[in-house]
Amino acid sequence: GAGVSQSPSNKVTEKGKDVELRCDPISGHTALYWYRQSLGQGLEFLIYFQGNSAPDKSGLPSDRFSAERTGGSVSTLTIQRTQQEDSAVYLCASSTGASSAETQYFGPGTRLLVL
Amino acid sequence: GDSVTQMEGPVTLSEEAFLTINCTYTATGYPSLFWYVQYPGEGLQLLLKATKADDKGSNKGFEATYRKETTSFHLEKGSVQVSDSAVYFCALYSGGGADGLTFGKGTHLIIQP
Repeated sequence: GAGVSQSPSNKVTEKGKDVELRCDPISGHTALYWYRQSLGQGLEFLIYFQGNSAPDKSGLPSDRFSAERTGGSVSTLTIQRTQQEDSAVYLCASSTGASSAETQYFGPGTRLLVL
Repeated sequence: GDSVTQMEGPVTLSEEAFLTINCTYTATGYPSLFWYVQYPGEGLQLLLKATKADDKGSNKGFEATYRKETTSFHLEKGSVQVSDSAVYFCALYSGGGADGLTFGKGTHLIIQP
């Protein structure tokens, strides 16, 4: 079956513009996660959805970041007024959500470059 | 909070050498432990996992044992190949519903023929 897909694969934008990143999880996976991978910070967790609900948004780096999930499937991560420090690879993962031992399956990521 | 510490490398070995990548963790409760691998140009993929103390995860000749007494999950392989060259990430998940994986900074492994 299909894995986690993300779009776009690459995005170059100018500082101050808004960007929207999309994640399509594996069909039937109720849990969805966003991470950011950057040279300076390594892999950091941003936000988690169980169904359409995100219980804790404190992992988002600033109030310029927001995320939503609709229909228990597709999720979008929006970054408003992008800054150069937002340049990173944004990874999405999904799992069945049944327990903490469940494997998270990662998408290929969106590489964001803010000029 | 939770944290994972691993050697960052790069670690350079010759083909058929023995590999150990150390990983230690700090966590509340009893986390599940994972090793993820990122091959050049590819996404993160699960290599192996262990969900409770003394469990051994294994895959593709790699092994790691969940040691609660030393809070460690060291990755080992008896004979590495050039194709094992990649970045390896140790990670933990404490659950609780609100948090994601906590990753180490990754170890870049280079295997020379």
